[in-house]
Amino acid sequence: DIQMTQSPSSLSASVGDRVTITCQASQDISNYLNWYQQKPGKAPKLLIYDASNLETGVPSRFSGSGSGTDFTFTISSLQPEDIATYYCQQYDNQRTFGQGTKVEIK
Amino acid sequence: EVQLVESGGGLVKPGGSLRLSCAASGFTFSSYSMNWVRQAPGKGLEWVSSISSSSSYIYYADSVKGRFTISRDNAKNSLYLQMNSLRAEDTAVYYCARDPGDSGSSYFDYWGQGTLVTVSS
Repeated sequence: DIQMTQSPSSLSASVGDRVTITCQASQDISNYLNWYQQKPGKAPKLLIYDASNLETGVPSRFSGSGSGTDFTFTISSLQPEDIATYYCQQYDNQRTFGQGTKVEIK
Repeated sequence: EVQLVESGGGLVKPGGSLRLSCAASGFTFSSYSMNWVRQAPGKGLEWVSSISSSSSYIYYADSVKGRFTISRDNAKNSLYLQMNSLRAEDTAVYYCARDPGDSGSSYFDYWGQGTLVTVSS
């Protein structure tokens, strides 16, 4: 099974800050990596697919990069509405989510 | 507008069974893979099972293999999850999610609102 390790598990940043979350796969998954946002009490929302492709309608302050085993998710300028938990997910072998990163406003 | 509406959740005793349904609308259901993803209270997301558009390919997480069965009825635009031998650790909100996986890339682009399954005596 492929394990996905996200870091940090939580972070606190100010509005306007650049926020970076990393996701490491236990083996090479090429670019088979997606990122989701989940707000409390809501279903997850797809933000980035295939490591770096922005889903239609998602603000351009969200971006993703990486391939192989190491991936990065970035919010270029944190907004109050970005408060949520973010998950990476691989689909190279079955499907596995990272444990999530909770983003809060400082 | 794409809509996915889950139903069938509820309280069930350990060892019991439950069948979840997901009604799809607003897209050509028979062209998409579908998935079940769950989330235990206060925990992260866990993929449960996937089924390809024509039901040719079916996969399960190890945690549910042999106990859960995914199926679909393309004529009724519906996805199902039959859950048997339920355990306390199966307690979660269960989401159905659309996946264009049949065409190459795979991701969950639309999700339902979820249905809560509680396994408790």
